[in-house]
Amino acid sequence: EIVLTQSPGTLSLSPGEGATLSCRASQNVYNSYLAWYQQKPGQAPSLLIYGASSRATGIPDRFSGSGSGTDFTLTISTLAPEDSAVYYCQQYGSSPCTFGQGTKVEIK
Amino acid sequence: DVHLLESGGGLVQPGGSLRLSCAASGFTLSIYGMSWVRQAPGKGLEWVSTIRGSGSSTNYADSVKGRFTISRDTSKNTLYLQMSSLRAEDTALYYCAKFYYVTETIAPFDYWGQGTLVTVSS
Repeated sequence: EIVLTQSPGTLSLSPGEGATLSCRASQNVYNSYLAWYQQKPGQAPSLLIYGASSRATGIPDRFSGSGSGTDFTLTISTLAPEDSAVYYCQQYGSSPCTFGQGTKVEIK
Repeated sequence: DVHLLESGGGLVQPGGSLRLSCAASGFTLSIYGMSWVRQAPGKGLEWVSTIRGSGSSTNYADSVKGRFTISRDTSKNTLYLQMSSLRAEDTALYYCAKFYYVTETIAPFDYWGQGTLVTVSS
């Protein structure tokens, strides 16, 4: 089973700043099958990025993903108040698919 | 519009059984794969089970293998999760989630229900 480790645990930033979230896999993620989700309090997760760098339908371009192999990054270029959430990475290239433990982004 | 509505959660004693349902609309279960993902209170996401769109195969997390069964009724466009021999550690919000694209492997999940809460306690 591939273990995903996300860092940092919490990010506290101001609106307009940029955020960089890391997701490190214990083994290579096949074909960069790595997704990012956003989960706001009391809501279900929503898909942001798939295939490491492709934005899902309707996702603003301030969200971008990069990486390959074992190291992946989600970048939020200009934070908005509504970006306050927990962000999870998921690998779906190997069974079982697994999720990281999450990074909480707080907007000051 | 795609919509997923879970039901069937509740309070159950350890060792008991429960069947969750996920009514889907706006797409066809016989085309898209579906998964169950759970989230224990205050914790992260854990994949539980997947059924492919073709219905040809299913997968389970080791933590539920032999106790949970995923199935679907394409005539009702409804997904199910039959849970038995429930344990305290199965307590969680259970989400059904739709594959983003058609594949016989696994895909990321583009639509999620709002979840149904399962509490295992005496």
